[in-house]
Amino acid sequence: DAGITQSPRHKVTETGTPVTLRCHQTENHRYMYWYRQDPGHGLRLIHYSYGVKDTDKGEVSDGYSVSRSKTEDFLLTLESATSSQTSVYFCAISEPTGRGLEAFFGQGTRLTVV
Amino acid sequence: GENVEQHPSTLSVQEGDSAVIKCTYSDSASNYFPWYKQELGKRPQLIIDIRSNVGEKKDQRIAVTLNKTAKHFSLHITETQPEDSAVYFCAATIQGAQKLVFGQGTRLTINP
Repeated sequence: DAGITQSPRHKVTETGTPVTLRCHQTENHRYMYWYRQDPGHGLRLIHYSYGVKDTDKGEVSDGYSVSRSKTEDFLLTLESATSSQTSVYFCAISEPTGRGLEAFFGQGTRLTVV
Repeated sequence: GENVEQHPSTLSVQEGDSAVIKCTYSDSASNYFPWYKQELGKRPQLIIDIRSNVGEKKDQRIAVTLNKTAKHFSLHITETQPEDSAVYFCAATIQGAQKLVFGQGTRLTINP
């Protein structure tokens, strides 16, 4: 498995509190992504990064922010958690090759907002 | 931007039968189409991919076909086994692009 670690693996938080999820990679891949997975919606892209300090929004970015100060770390922050943000969050990394863009996923973080 | 639609959302087949999952994409410039498998409680992992210069690709019991004109691609699993039970995701991207757009997923159940 690619060297990609998410922390925490599980978290329960209260509505209105800020939450930060961490993704750490040891593969030196250029691209990093945050997806959320919900039943019936598949994997939806929240934000992604194409280099240190270079980030862009995905399709469901409202209520989320990200930061990438080092190649190996990509942080996802829920500024003020809401119940609709209860989900499983996956970090992924990739490095474009001549074949395509294979993504390697972390183990996931199950977040519950109560 | 790219939009990927995946059908069916759930699929149940008898062990030994074949399963087919279909995806359509919107951006005619897309040229790389991977499929990911996610077992229960696990992370998604790449199982097969196809580039737009190829119409079909096989790997043992799984195959992917691509119809560029119709902008759809399909995953075929033959001689299904219990370990094929999982959620399958299709995706599409433009080679050299920075992100993958995923379909909604198909939960495949293999009945003994």
